[in-house]
Amino acid sequence: QKEVEQDPGPLSVPEGAIVSLNCTYSNSAFQYFMWYRQYSRKGPELLMYTYSSGNKEDGRFTAQVDKSSKYISLFIRDSQPSDSATYLCAMSFVSGAGSYQLTFGKGTKLSVIP
Amino acid sequence: DTGVSQNPRHKITKRGQNVTFRCDPISEHNRLYWYRQTLGQGPEFLTYFQNEAQLEKSRLLSDRFSAERPKGSFSTLEIQRTEQGDSAMYLCASSPRTGNYGYTFGSGTRLTVV
Repeated sequence: QKEVEQDPGPLSVPEGAIVSLNCTYSNSAFQYFMWYRQYSRKGPELLMYTYSSGNKEDGRFTAQVDKSSKYISLFIRDSQPSDSATYLCAMSFVSGAGSYQLTFGKGTKLSVIP
Repeated sequence: DTGVSQNPRHKITKRGQNVTFRCDPISEHNRLYWYRQTLGQGPEFLTYFQNEAQLEKSRLLSDRFSAERPKGSFSTLEIQRTEQGDSAMYLCASSPRTGNYGYTFGSGTRLTVV
């Protein structure tokens, strides 16, 4: 079992739909939870960051963390064609060397159809 | 601040040749990371620098791989005697001295070994 599991999709939705993306994890040491967006042939771009259970909202994006269930989600409201990308969940803890090494899911490829 | 810069963007090399990639992090960031991403997978951690010190290395970083960060500025990643399995996107990321608010990734160097 991988430390972070993410359904790779692909996921296709009509413009304006609400999108739900999810990841589960097995390592209780993870303290920080992130969502990255990656366009084709580009590096990942940080979308959302959180370190506590609960919801965090930023515009059309809401990140949800449930540490008791080891489950994180990203919701996208009023999805737009420009949201079409691969969405990666990532998690980290502080290592002994002081790094915040990230463990990523496989990524979910999202297409928003006009 | 022009973000994290990586060069070259794409490198095609013959099996057995050596290749070197360069990363220029955001100037005030003292933490620097290298990741590798293969098709359909999330990025995987390779190594971590704090200033000029290489403090963590993944088991993925075989003895054919070496990374440096002289004077705590830019970093280089060298792969000796390349193999077809080394074909991947090599991503560099940097983050500030304090706190963990996610990384800023570069656009990556895509390596193709033929």
